[in-house]
Amino acid sequence: SYELTQPPSVSVSPGQTARITCSGDALPKKYAYWYQQKSGQAPVLVIYEDSKRPSGIPERFSGSSSGTMATLTISGAQVEDEADYYCYSTDSSGNHLFGGGTKLTVL
Amino acid sequence: QVQLVQSGAEVKKPGASVKVSCKASGYTFTSYGISWVRQAPGQGLEWMGWISAYNGNTNYAQKLQGRVTMTTDTSTSTAYMELRSLRSDDTAVYYCARVEEPLLDYWGQGTLVTVSS
Repeated sequence: SYELTQPPSVSVSPGQTARITCSGDALPKKYAYWYQQKSGQAPVLVIYEDSKRPSGIPERFSGSSSGTMATLTISGAQVEDEADYYCYSTDSSGNHLFGGGTKLTVL
Repeated sequence: QVQLVQSGAEVKKPGASVKVSCKASGYTFTSYGISWVRQAPGQGLEWMGWISAYNGNTNYAQKLQGRVTMTTDTSTSTAYMELRSLRSDDTAVYYCARVEEPLLDYWGQGTLVTVSS
């Protein structure tokens, strides 16, 4: 079955650049979406259609996709960016799925 | 502003059914779909399926086929998710989200469903 693979954890110091990857065989043909989930809260959309940023999301959040890998980049990560991040996409059969999630630690 | 407000927490026994509601406001309900996503304690997000509020078409995750039904009431702008034959591993927070297929842009606050004997 189709899977989206993320690293379980990423750790950076405040002000550094954090990169979270998402690997999936259908990503060359399907968009990736990224969600931020802070503890005890509902997920929030931070990137859609690989690289578009919703209104209200800080400019330090950006996305890219190349081949079978999509990447969420947080340039100059802040302590408040500490959260779980999930990629999300579909496959050619209409299945929708999330990656396993990446815990971002900023300290 | 777009809001999705879900019903309150539920405690159910194994084998029972649960029906969670999601009331939408701030947009034209029939112009979007509603997706349901669940999250077991300490685990990741799991997509359950979605329903078009325009025509009622559904697409369910294969692992839940036969146990889940998603419906909408356009007169009240409310979506429902019913899960039957509950098991302990169905214990989770259940979220609804507005869908512009496949984008989930606005989410409800979540509903905790606990399955315990």
